[in-house]
Amino acid sequence: AQKVTQAQTEISVVEKEDVTLDCVYETRDTTYYLFWYKQPPSGELVFLIRRNSFDEQNEISGRYSWNFQKSTSSFNFTITASQVVDSAVYFCALYFYNQGGKLIFGQGTELSVKP
Amino acid sequence: DVKVTQSSRYLVKRTGEKVFLECVQDMDHENMFWYRQDPGLGLRLIYFSYDVKMKEKGDIPEGYSVSREKKERFSLILESASTNQTSMYLCASGYRGLGDTQYFGPGTRLTVL
Repeated sequence: AQKVTQAQTEISVVEKEDVTLDCVYETRDTTYYLFWYKQPPSGELVFLIRRNSFDEQNEISGRYSWNFQKSTSSFNFTITASQVVDSAVYFCALYFYNQGGKLIFGQGTELSVKP
Repeated sequence: DVKVTQSSRYLVKRTGEKVFLECVQDMDHENMFWYRQDPGLGLRLIYFSYDVKMKEKGDIPEGYSVSREKKERFSLILESASTNQTSMYLCASGYRGLGDTQYFGPGTRLTVL
């Protein structure tokens, strides 16, 4: 079965703290893709990153970094030196090709960054 | 930039009404999707379409139908709205390639009274 688990429902940090959002996935496919999206209070989901199952290199983009570990089926997201503008709901998703390109989403983690 | 637009940000309807939610994308994407988002449940796929006039059921298609007459437009129809369809509805589009990214619209918050 395909499944994505984001165990942290809510996280609250103070500005400039580092924060890691956890994502654990389940799939029997050998080829798969993982995504992170950000949903600010305005409601629109904003694409952040896509990672395929053959590329386990960590990725860094400014204050954002992603740690992909196939051995533990995890794709964790770290924000360094958090800012108030990072406050949002963050979703991890698994691409499931057998149904025409379906995304299976985790339940989301609501991050609140306080000044 | 990819642009996915939805016809309304907020909508209030009465039980039993027929409701149309429209989604338009400007990137010539083959795939289009409708999701609903509810607290604690994340996003759930209602229907998707991989080509004009083609549609496939997602995880929760009951009470909904869709229409895709043109490549850029994908409509979600609530034949007879019910209060349990009060939710945030999100449209997305993407290329048909393996693992291609889905891009989302701003969402429509529907309230059924």
